[in-house]
Parts: sequence; structure tokens; C-alpha cells
Amino acid sequence: QSALTQPRSVSGSPGQSVTISCTGTSSDVGNYNFVSWYQQHPGKAPKLIIYDVNKWPSGVPDRFSGSKSGTTASLTISGLQAEDEADYYCCSYAGTFTYVFGSGTKVTVL
Amino acid sequence: EVQLVQSGAEVKKPGESLRISCKGSGYTFTNYWIGWVRQMPGKGLEWMGIIYPGDSDSRYNPSFQGRVTISADKSISTAYLQWGSLKASDTAIYYCARRGYGSSEWFGPWGQGTLVTASS
Repeated sequence: QSALTQPRSVSGSPGQSVTISCTGTSSDVGNYNFVSWYQQHPGKAPKLIIYDVNKWPSGVPDRFSGSKSGTTASLTISGLQAEDEADYYCCSYAGTFTYVFGSGTKVTVL
Repeated sequence: EVQLVQSGAEVKKPGESLRISCKGSGYTFTNYWIGWVRQMPGKGLEWMGIIYPGDSDSRYNPSFQGRVTISADKSISTAYLQWGSLKASDTAIYYCARRGYGSSEWFGPWGQGTLVTASS
């Protein structure tokens, strides 16, 4: 199980949009519509922000959106806010109740 | 409110054994898979394994198979992660998280994390 590939960092100014990619294989991202995204602030536990590629858990603003094409999933943060500065991780189902996380992306709000 | 509460920080010597816990509340513990995730200092999340407390069915990331054991005691709504012999490289924060229900795949909520330090 190799980690899904994410860019190490992305940045944007307040109000702008940023997109984080998450590249896997035909055994995980490419084979299931079960990609979730997690936000982690320093010293805190991860928090679910997107599941099943493009669904929102209750309480998560729709500034966060997800999509997938082939073996690459993406998370877009629209209208970037200061509190969005955090680490973001994708996670894909890989069959028979096994999972793989992405390498993580640090989002910086300029 | 659905909650997962983990046991406190541990400091152990390499070679020692350790078991950390994750207690679920606010839901039917036996009906949801519980996963464990490692985060080494300054690094990303790694999926370690998962257990279904209803029947203790468990799955492991091959990278962790044989190094750790995941178990659950449904009578006290608690899942466990244990090591028979710690290594210095096991130093990390360990999170438990509840898997989503039905045909959806997600992890949430998460426990607060347990810091394990293995140092001589």
C-alpha cells in the first residue's frame, strides 16, 4: 500500500480558490468512488470535510468541494479564509475494508 | 453526541509492551468499524488497520501486520491497539476513528489521539 500522492503545499490569498490533487492507482482511487478528505490543524485531530468523493458532512461549509477523474481526486477550497490554513489529507478505500491515506498537503493563506 | 475518547500519553522503553485504548460513546459500538491511524512526528497520516467490534473481524495494513494487534471489548465499548515489543520508531500519535455507516466510506469522529513515546 503506497500513500496517495498529494502536492506538498499550496497557497492562496484570502478569497481565492485553491485545488489539491490526490493521485492513486486503479486499485484505490480509480476503482472506487470512496475518496474522503480530512482537515488537520496543528496539534489537533483530523476532521472529515468531504466523503464519497463529493459529499459534505453536516456542518462543513460548501466552500469545500470534491471531485474525481480516473485515478486522481481533487479538493477545491473556494473563497479561501484564514481558518482554512491547515494540513489536508485524502483517503481512499482500497477494497475489503482497507484504506490508504494521501501524503498530505499544507495549505497556506497568504 | 458520538465520541471516541482515547487513553492518555505513554512513555515506554524499547522492547516493552503497550496497549492503548479508544472508548466509544453515544452510539451502538458494535455496529461500526473502528480504525487506527498513525502520525509520526511531523509526518502524515498512515492507516494501520480496522476492527468491527460486533464480531472482532479485523484487517491490517500490510506494513503494520505482525507489529501491532487490534482488538475490541464490546462489553465496555472499547477498542485497543497493542504492541508486544515497542521500537523507538513506534514513537508517534495514534488516532482511532469510527468508520462511516452503510455503503459510505469515511472516518469520523476521531479520538483526540494518544502520544506514544518509545525511548531509552
